[in-house]
Amino acid sequence: DTAVSQTPKYLVTQMGNDKSIKCEQNLGHDTMYWYKQDSKKFLKIMFSYNNKELIINETVPNRFSPKSPDKAHLNLHINSLELGDSAVYFCASSQLAGGSTDTQYFGPGTRLTVL
Amino acid sequence: TQLLEQSPQFLSIQEGENLTVYCNSSSVFSSLQWYRQEPGEGPVLLVTVVTGGEVKKLKRLTFQFGDARKDSSLHITAAQPGDTGLYLCAGAGGSARQLTFGSGTQLTVLP
Repeated sequence: DTAVSQTPKYLVTQMGNDKSIKCEQNLGHDTMYWYKQDSKKFLKIMFSYNNKELIINETVPNRFSPKSPDKAHLNLHINSLELGDSAVYFCASSQLAGGSTDTQYFGPGTRLTVL
Repeated sequence: TQLLEQSPQFLSIQEGENLTVYCNSSSVFSSLQWYRQEPGEGPVLLVTVVTGGEVKKLKRLTFQFGDARKDSSLHITAAQPGDTGLYLCAGAGGSARQLTFGSGTQLTVLP
């Protein structure tokens, strides 16, 4: 069983379109995250949700809107896609909300290419 | 802003060689984690170090947390092609409530 799954794996779209990425975890964790990994492999947190509530919202354009229908799902919707949004987006989950010894479990990533 | 700098950024070595990857910051972290990421996959946790000066071993991998909890190192003995991947350090605690990831070290071990 996949612990953290994301769909789609690849997403190629035109500039200006709106797209969504879905994430589900079956680990029973309370906290979920969205990260962006750029072309230089730098991994930066975008959002964190704990039990469906937003707890971290880094400096991310408001074109990005996370939605957590329940604590096992955290979806990412992106409006008016721009070239600079091209990256790999990772969903992750952890039992605690940023605890110092907490393990984060990452999904396989969604490679977004904006043309 | 907490920053974690890793060095080297890229490392290509022959099978059997030893190597060390460094993770440095000016900030203090309550713990430091190391992840390995393979192509097309997400990062996977290797180890968490919590106490200043702590050393943990995972088979041929040795992890150390600096005494001041601002830096860490990963030493691999007798590297194998299966060790190839992107190694990421990540600091927890301090002034941020989330993990701060390092800049990454891309390791390639040639057979």
